[in-house]
Amino acid sequence: GEDVEQSLFLSVREGDSSVINCTYTDSSSTYLYWYKQEPGAGLQLLTYIFSNMDMKQDQRLTVLLNKKDKHLSLRIADTQTGDSAIYFCAADTGRRALTFGSGTRLQVQP
Amino acid sequence: GAVVSQHPSRVICKSGTSVKIECRSLDFQATTMFWYRQFPKQSLMLMATSNEGSKATYEQGVEKDKFLINHASLTLSTLTVTSAHPEDSSFYICSARDRDGVLGRQYFGPGTRLTVL
Repeated sequence: GEDVEQSLFLSVREGDSSVINCTYTDSSSTYLYWYKQEPGAGLQLLTYIFSNMDMKQDQRLTVLLNKKDKHLSLRIADTQTGDSAIYFCAADTGRRALTFGSGTRLQVQP
Repeated sequence: GAVVSQHPSRVICKSGTSVKIECRSLDFQATTMFWYRQFPKQSLMLMATSNEGSKATYEQGVEKDKFLINHASLTLSTLTVTSAHPEDSSFYICSARDRDGVLGRQYFGPGTRLTVL
């Protein structure tokens, strides 16, 4: 089945850019998602990218997709303390449930 | 955008009782809903796939007699944790696949936090 991997932890200073990386294994993944989860809360969909796109930008968020390498990244520009959370990437083949990565804990230092 | 609700958002119960969690797609029809469980500081793990009008498909290691799933309509799936024990305490999240959406995108509910005393 699908396997999705992420680094576990990222620490940045406020105002810097954050880049969270993710790799997946199933080349038939049609949607790739980024979710944010704050402590004690549910999942918040941040953005998603369809597999025929290379890049998607939405305000401070930029998603890059390298389909050949099955690599997905999320860049957060001008990172704020409110961005501190766990970020999950997830792959969707359109046929099954989403497969989630382990989550990357982003710590933003003032 | 599409909305999925879950009820209740939080429940505390005594060991041995049964708890029912509802998952509803509010503005779209979902032939397939998924139930996930998330333990503290861990990722989401798929428990089962719920198909409208048929039996749920459970992931390996998930007891179907303990976690009863019913998907009686295109907008409602329920998860019943039977004879709950403290080790069942977790965050339960459902998602629904939009039957008519482009390639059937999934939408997540806000989750239900279950605490078994």
